Amino acid sequence: AQSVTQLGSHVSVSEGALVLLRCNYSSSVPPYLFWYVQYPNQGLQLLLKYTSAATLVKGINGFEAEFKKSETSFHLTKPSAHMSDAAEYFCALSGGYNKLIFGAGTRLAVHP
Amino acid sequence: DTAVSQTPKYLVTQMGNDKSIKCEQNLGHDTMYWYKQDSKKFLKIMFSYNNKELIINETVPNRFSPKSPDKAHLNLHINSLELGDSAVYFCASSQFSTGTGGFNQQFFGPGTRLTVL
Repeated sequence: AQSVTQLGSHVSVSEGALVLLRCNYSSSVPPYLFWYVQYPNQGLQLLLKYTSAATLVKGINGFEAEFKKSETSFHLTKPSAHMSDAAEYFCALSGGYNKLIFGAGTRLAVHP
Repeated sequence: DTAVSQTPKYLVTQMGNDKSIKCEQNLGHDTMYWYKQDSKKFLKIMFSYNNKELIINETVPNRFSPKSPDKAHLNLHINSLELGDSAVYFCASSQFSTGTGGFNQQFFGPGTRLTVL
């Protein structure tokens, strides 16, 4: 069965520090992987996606993620955190019929 | 201009009531979805319709009944509401894909927060 595991339900960083949000997946077929961001009381916005092209994927707002098949990982990074990055981040995997299988989410807090 | 819209945004109701949530998309997509986000923020697919045909039906109580009058609309009707139904319900849309040959980006609505008292 396909699944997504996000390590760390809460991550706290200082403004300007590196952001690293971890995601591991399990899939018997080559996966499509995604990171979504959810700001408080809002819907989901796509940050970036991996669709079997380049393993290093760049997204919006300075985020990027690297697909590592050997580690079954798709970690999200940003070199320098900004206060506006504080949100809930979801890693997701594509399932049959285009459905998304989500991880449990990681809440990112950014403090001054 | 809104791509995927949901009404209402907030819904507060008593246990045992029946309620509906409506979703509309103006992106020209042929596939729509309902996801449930529980109190711990966990998101899970409930249903998906393609061209008014149900194609995904996860293990959801049969008190939940989706209805798609046309490609641009997908409504969710919930009978005999229970406390555990309290959640945020997200609608999404995309072009159809079986998922094996490619993936089409899903666009999400703003969510409907359902509170059952």
